[in-house]
Amino acid sequence: DSGVTQTPKHLITATGQRVTLRCSPRSGDLSVYWYQQSLDQGLQFLIQYYNGEERAKGNILERFSAQQFPDLHSELNLSSLELGDSALYFCASSWTDIGNIQYFGAGTRLSVL
Amino acid sequence: ELKVEQNPLFLSMQEGKNYTIYCNYSTTSDRLYWYRQDPGKSLESLFVLLSNGAVKQEGRLMASLDTKARLSTLHITAAVHDLSATYFCAVYNNNDMRFGAGTRLTVKP
Repeated sequence: DSGVTQTPKHLITATGQRVTLRCSPRSGDLSVYWYQQSLDQGLQFLIQYYNGEERAKGNILERFSAQQFPDLHSELNLSSLELGDSALYFCASSWTDIGNIQYFGAGTRLSVL
Repeated sequence: ELKVEQNPLFLSMQEGKNYTIYCNYSTTSDRLYWYRQDPGKSLESLFVLLSNGAVKQEGRLMASLDTKARLSTLHITAAVHDLSATYFCAVYNNNDMRFGAGTRLTVKP
């Protein structure tokens, strides 16, 4: 058990809908990262937050947004969903900034029908 | 644009043999990561390499970074079946991070 909790584990929704994925980092970790993994595009870094502030931004679509709350949990919001958004979404956390080992959650499998 | 190339993409090894996975990248970076992913599972961080010449070892795996050559290697020593997994490298540059396509390693008895 990595100590990183992601909910829900599975999500099935329809095109055009909006969903929220949640991530609780390991106790004491200040950084949260979001990644997307799909067969088409492989692994992609989406975004990183450090202690509530956006620190790094990767291939995150404008339809997607994220935030990190004062209690350090994070949410990834995906809107106007398309079939191509079907993927595994992983959250990871680390103690400080991006130079540290990251601990990954089990992932949320999103299926857009 | 930062590009990351891993090779080989598929690697079948016999137990006890040594082999190296290569990770080349296109722009300067001083942070490189190696991850492992078992089938149907999440990712596991293996190494973070932060400077030129950095070398880290854990068990039968050793990773190194040459920032001048824009190359990292993951060396497997005396492979065992438990090392069968997909290995990814990822490179950080300019507040972005890009992954290689992954190397699917199969270790056969």
